[in-house]
Amino acid sequence: DSGVTQTPKHLITATGQRVTLRCSPRSGDLSVYWYQQSLDQGLQFLIQYYNGEERAKGNILERFSAQQFPDLHSELNLSSLELGDSALYFCASSRTSGRDYSYNEQFFGPGTRLTVL
Amino acid sequence: KNEVEQSPQNLTAQEGEFITINCSYSVGISALHWLQQHPGGGIVSLFMLSSGKKKHGRLIATINIQEKHSSLHITASHPRDSAVYICAVYGIIQGAQKLVFGQGTRLTINP
Repeated sequence: DSGVTQTPKHLITATGQRVTLRCSPRSGDLSVYWYQQSLDQGLQFLIQYYNGEERAKGNILERFSAQQFPDLHSELNLSSLELGDSALYFCASSRTSGRDYSYNEQFFGPGTRLTVL
Repeated sequence: KNEVEQSPQNLTAQEGEFITINCSYSVGISALHWLQQHPGGGIVSLFMLSSGKKKHGRLIATINIQEKHSSLHITASHPRDSAVYICAVYGIIQGAQKLVFGQGTRLTINP
């Protein structure tokens, strides 16, 4: 158990819908990262938040957005869902932001499996 | 071309064999991370390396910064080691500071 929690574990929805994925980081971790793992693309970085502020952006679509709340939990919102959005979505957390380019080990949550029908 | 390449993509071995998984990368990095993904999907952190070698139980990870190459070794492999092993590098890549992942190596250990 990494200490990172994600809900829900599974989500089945239809095209065009909107869903929210939730992540609670390990106690004491200020950074939260979101990743998407699809069959054809592998794991890809979406976005990072540090202490409530967006820190880095990766291959995140405009239909997707995220935020980190004062209690440090984070939500990833996916809207206008398409079949191709079906994937495993992982959240990870780490102690620091990496602003000094150092890497703090990231600990991954169990993931949310999203199926868009 | 992917910034991170792993080989082999698939590996099947008998219990007890010595296993080596390779990772080559093409960008400047500040750290490399080896991850294990179980059949159920969960991801476990194995090692974080920026130089040299680390050992944990039957697992050994090495990195050669000059050659931009890392290896993960498993000694006395066991069926419970069957999983996907993923190499990830951390650095400023494509303009963003992030982890970039290899495609993974699917390891199957037969009893």
